[in-house]
Amino acid sequence: QVQLVQSGAEVKKPGASVKVSCKASGYTFTSYGISWVRQAPGQGLEWMGWISAYNGNTNYAQKLQGRVTMTTDTSTSTAYMELRSLRSDDTAVYYCARIDTYVGWFDPWGQGTLVTVSS
Amino acid sequence: SYVLTQPPSVSVAPGKTARITCGGNNIGSKSVHWYQQKPGQAPVLVIYYDSDRPSGIPERFSGSNSGNTATLTISRVEAGDEADYYCQVWDSSSDHPGVFGTGTKVTVL
Repeated sequence: QVQLVQSGAEVKKPGASVKVSCKASGYTFTSYGISWVRQAPGQGLEWMGWISAYNGNTNYAQKLQGRVTMTTDTSTSTAYMELRSLRSDDTAVYYCARIDTYVGWFDPWGQGTLVTVSS
Repeated sequence: SYVLTQPPSVSVAPGKTARITCGGNNIGSKSVHWYQQKPGQAPVLVIYYDSDRPSGIPERFSGSNSGNTATLTISRVEAGDEADYYCQVWDSSSDHPGVFGTGTKVTVL
């Protein structure tokens, strides 16, 4: 079955960087994109951006431009999201989700990775 | 960027019908997708293309979209339907294509 499995929880200090992985299985990785969505504690879903696993093209949310980088490794069907210069308000659960931009929905989702930013 | 507005909460008795709205400027011209998120879990797609259901989603879940409002309807509500629900659109012509609604907490009384 189609599945996305993410890396484990992280605790980081302000100013540090975090890199979260998302390993895909059960489908042809390069036929879809991977989007990243985060959810701060008690808050709603925030779209962060997406990457085409076919050609590596990216589109990042404007508020994260310059701090976020999304990459893929097609040899291992794994997507990565790196967020730099972490602040306390980056504390959130980070999800990856498969996306076909021709249809526009996210399915399935990874299980989520909690990133805690604290001094 | 495009804004989607949902009511913060909806309460419904078991066996009754819950309706969750998602408001956006001329949203009827876009395709709307809906997700269910239970506490501590990742979101799950329950409706795509306004009104289609993925396999495994009960027929009790349905959707519609017209004008400035899209609606997710849950018929014969069960206790297990208690969750947060989010609408979403993908605006490929925008520099911020992924947009989620503000989310609605459905409480089963």
